[in-house]
Amino acid sequence: VTQTPKFQVLKTGQSMTLQCTQDMNHNYMYWYRQDPGLGLRLIYFSYDVKMKEKGDIPEGYSVSREKKERFSLILESASTNQTSMYLCATQQGTGKNIQYFGAGTRLSVL
Amino acid sequence: DAKTTQPNSMESNEEEPVHLPCNHSTISGTDYIHWYRQLPSQGPEYVIHGLTSNVNNRMASLAIAEDRKSSTLILHRATLRDAAVYYCILTATDSWGKLQFGAGTQVVVTP
Repeated sequence: VTQTPKFQVLKTGQSMTLQCTQDMNHNYMYWYRQDPGLGLRLIYFSYDVKMKEKGDIPEGYSVSREKKERFSLILESASTNQTSMYLCATQQGTGKNIQYFGAGTRLSVL
Repeated sequence: DAKTTQPNSMESNEEEPVHLPCNHSTISGTDYIHWYRQLPSQGPEYVIHGLTSNVNNRMASLAIAEDRKSSTLILHRATLRDAAVYYCILTATDSWGKLQFGAGTQVVVTP
């Protein structure tokens, strides 16, 4: 699972797309954010091309899955409270429930 | 969702075993016990999972209590590369959903 970029600094109001690609042919893909003291929180997930479902904190984010191997997280107008570590994960199906994570994107919004 | 309780931190000397406990007293009959770890500046990494029986793989062993209300992750010979935060989480059978990570246990390995 590959996430790009690894680090990004944005100004408030700028837009940004975080990319996640996988070569494991997994059906499910997820976007989480990780903040100190709050653990991982699910933003969106997708179970198929062009399909998406909201997670616990979708506000301020959108996603795109045009191809099976790519799941993008879009910040249309960044705000300071979106400063976080963003993690992408994949899961093959509903059998073993094992998720595989990328190395993350560290985003700072100033 | 069923919750898990882990100690905040544990220390170990290099090449000694590490036993990481996890309590999950409200576990349901269909919940799997999963362990992940997160090295500094990395995403979480799957370690092992089990349902009722003890499990072994190349990374670790998982010992599950008979009543399934607790489990222990065993790192047989800790190395410096095992220093990480270890998370014990429960997942429902055939689940596609989110993983609920708590605070985890910070493992410190000293040479």
